[in-house]
Amino acid sequence: KAGVTQTPRYLIKTRGQQVTLSCSPISGHRSVSWYQQTPGQGLQFLFEYFSETQRNKGNFPGRFSGRQFSNSRSEMNVSTLELGDSALYLCASRLAGESTDTQYFGPGTRLTVL
Amino acid sequence: DQQVKQNSPSLSVQEGRISILNCDYTNSMFDYFLWYKKYPAEGPTFLISISSIKDKNEDGRFTVFLNKSAKHLSLHIVPSQPGDSAVYFCAASARAGFQKLVFGTGTRLLVSP
Repeated sequence: KAGVTQTPRYLIKTRGQQVTLSCSPISGHRSVSWYQQTPGQGLQFLFEYFSETQRNKGNFPGRFSGRQFSNSRSEMNVSTLELGDSALYLCASRLAGESTDTQYFGPGTRLTVL
Repeated sequence: DQQVKQNSPSLSVQEGRISILNCDYTNSMFDYFLWYKKYPAEGPTFLISISSIKDKNEDGRFTVFLNKSAKHLSLHIVPSQPGDSAVYFCAASARAGFQKLVFGTGTRLLVSP
């Protein structure tokens, strides 16, 4: 079974631009979560989608948004990029969204904002 | 407010010895805990989990201990191998409903030959 895939793997943008990242979950998984990892901050939760609905949201500004499609694929969008948005963005999927379901992570998208 | 804390940013251990990684949490609603391992340029990989009804869970070289009264958990790796060198994250969630995972900031483990 294929794992979680994320595209693109690397991205360079300039301040003020917007970016869209994509995540394809493990086949059969209906929940997709997004995390931001920066040095010293660990993994900070952005949001979780389940059956095309946002179910949980972290403490990030409205510039960060996401959506989930009927095939469970998810996209994350960041508008008006700032230098501080440079980070590794990780996507994780789990089966049905139960808290005890193991989350499986993709390799991440490394975003650099210049 | 950091609800899950890993106070040691790094740990160095010799091959064959025991590695002990620690994690503290503050939210008494947390009742499910996980450990993930992360190599550079890769996503975290699930290692082992434990629910609050247990105080120990073992999987091969990895054992997780949970002390609910102290709100503390630890991951023991015995024996440590150079391939275990990575960043280890603990995470916690409350099982009621569809709760998000809250991660610690990670501990970098270096196992030297």
